[in-house]
Amino acid sequence: QVQLVQSGAEVKKPGASVKVSCKASGYTFTSYDINWVRQATGQGLEWMGWMNPNSGNTGYAQKFQGRVTMTRNTSISTAYMELSSLRSEDTAVYYCARGMGIPWSGYPYWGQGTLVTVSS
Amino acid sequence: QSALTQPASVSGSPGQSITISCTGTSSDVGGYNYVSWYQQHPGKAPKLMIYEVSNRPSGVPDRFSGSKSGNTASLTISGLQAEDEADYYCSSYTSSSTQVFGGGTKLTVL
Repeated sequence: QVQLVQSGAEVKKPGASVKVSCKASGYTFTSYDINWVRQATGQGLEWMGWMNPNSGNTGYAQKFQGRVTMTRNTSISTAYMELSSLRSEDTAVYYCARGMGIPWSGYPYWGQGTLVTVSS
Repeated sequence: QSALTQPASVSGSPGQSITISCTGTSSDVGGYNYVSWYQQHPGKAPKLMIYEVSNRPSGVPDRFSGSKSGNTASLTISGLQAEDEADYYCSSYTSSSTQVFGGGTKLTVL
């Protein structure tokens, strides 16, 4: 069965960077886009960007341009999301989500979420 | 890109029907049939309930249905059940080749 397993919780200081991993199993990793979505405590979902694991092509929300980098290691079926210049407002649960094969159709598979806490 | 507009909360009694609206613009909801809906219970990851405006993934009860008219998409839940109580989010593709979510709607089953 399809599974996305994310790395564990992180605590970072303001100005630092965080790199969250998302290990895929149960399907061909390079066949489906990976998107990243975050959710601050008590707040709504916020789309951050997408990556095509086959080509490595990416697209980011304007809000995160210049601060976010999405990469992958196809040999271990793992996607990564790195966010730099962290500030307190970046404290949130970060999710990876797999697409349906048709870009932008929807995300039927999600990771369990990774809590990133930014605090001095 | 501004978030899509959803009502903050809706409520209904068991067995009733409710509809959650999701209003965007011609650059997102109105311009594409890539509207999806997600259900999220507290502490859990979102679950896809509707994709491409009105399609249900396998395993989602047919009590859940989606539609769109102009710049507004809607999620209707008929025959409300206690387990439907959750937060619901709409999402749409945009003309900037990005995705945007709604602010979320808290559904209370009375």
